Amino acid sequence: KNEVEQSPQNLTAQEGEFITINCSYSVGISALHWLQQHPGGGIVSLFMLSSGKKKHGRLIATINIQEKHSSLHITASHPRDSAVYICAVLRGGADGLTFGKGTHLIIQP
Amino acid sequence: DGGITQSPKYLFRKEGQNVTLSCEQNLNHDAMYWYRQDPGQGLRLIYYSQIVNDFQKGDIAEGYSVSREKKESFPLTVTSAQKNPTAFYLCASSTNSFNEQYFGPGTRLTVT
Repeated sequence: KNEVEQSPQNLTAQEGEFITINCSYSVGISALHWLQQHPGGGIVSLFMLSSGKKKHGRLIATINIQEKHSSLHITASHPRDSAVYICAVLRGGADGLTFGKGTHLIIQP
Repeated sequence: DGGITQSPKYLFRKEGQNVTLSCEQNLNHDAMYWYRQDPGQGLRLIYYSQIVNDFQKGDIAEGYSVSREKKESFPLTVTSAQKNPTAFYLCASSTNSFNEQYFGPGTRLTVT
């Protein structure tokens, strides 16, 4: 079983819809990252969080440490949000990140 | 402009040859990382370095080697011992192990 599980694996939605991507992990962590990967392969860090909630523009990330679960929300989705969204955790005491397999999001106009 | 550069973007090699992937950062970060990405799999950690002249094996270090002689540079050598070298390789850096990581644009290596 993977230490970091994301759902759904693939998601297609219409422009304007509210999007939720989920991440569950099974190990102790010191922080959780949400990353965005575009078709060319480059990765951008969206959020790093260890508790509560963070918001940046139309993106919101939440984490529940007790339940070992995090969500990434996109409000008023737009075709330019189409990308792979990756959840990654920094395990307590370890270096480097452990990654989920990613959620492939397509927003149709 | 501050950032991480990886070169080249695409690299082709014949089986049995060693190849070195470049990673340079001008963010003054102490920690640097190499990850590998295969289709349908999450990224996996190959090697990391918390400080100059020190590096540690990650989850899939076999068939790879690194050096960290300068703070700005963390080259990765894919040796002929790596059984499945064809993959997308990403380099990242952070101020330290516990901070946000910044990623380079990646190098797609194809070995035939």
